[in-house]
Amino acid sequence: DAMVIQNPRYQVTQFGKPVTLSCSQTLNHNVMYWYQQKSSQAPKLLFHYYDKDFNNEADTPDNFQSRRPNTSFCFLDIRSPGLGDAAMYLCATSRGSSRYEQYFGPGTRLTVT
Amino acid sequence: AQTVTQSQPEMSVQEAETVTLSCTYDTSESDYYLFWYKQPPSRQMILVIRQEAYKQQNATENRFSVNFQKAAKSFSLKISDSQLGDAAMYFCAYRSANTGNQFYFGTGTSLTVIP
Repeated sequence: DAMVIQNPRYQVTQFGKPVTLSCSQTLNHNVMYWYQQKSSQAPKLLFHYYDKDFNNEADTPDNFQSRRPNTSFCFLDIRSPGLGDAAMYLCATSRGSSRYEQYFGPGTRLTVT
Repeated sequence: AQTVTQSQPEMSVQEAETVTLSCTYDTSESDYYLFWYKQPPSRQMILVIRQEAYKQQNATENRFSVNFQKAAKSFSLKISDSQLGDAAMYFCAYRSANTGNQFYFGTGTSLTVIP
């Protein structure tokens, strides 16, 4: 089945230690998104790619970076995680046309110690 | 940016009964798409139903239907014959037809289904 895969599902990192979360998709969608979701809150968009075009949200901290080496993969790099970065990180994909919905991965739960 | 509001942080419904979740949005655009997503506890978010703004007919997917009132900018979700598996967080989302690829989410409604 076509899907959005996130690895790892659970990640523990130390305060200030860089961490990378990965997302892959078999849907061949143009657009890939990274969201941060804290407990019982709405997902907060960090950035998204339309093909190779990177779109950063204005309030996304510089501590968060992303890479999309090809259509299938997208990475979220947190350069110096703080305690406030502990959250669920959701990857989603969508076709470029606006009528289409997003498909979400299962998320990576990040703990910062 | 568009604003999506879900005024009910929590709702509960008796099994087999009907419940309606509210969503309003603010936009100056005439062409857009609206979505309801379901996020069960510790499970991934999935699409429940989608509505195109240019369509007057309300979308229906089995037990799920919407009441789309474009002039009022309202997009409520009705769940009929509620089942235990419907317990989840429900998010309303907006996507512009013309500008960008962002989805704007409401703050969510936590639905409890009482056996």
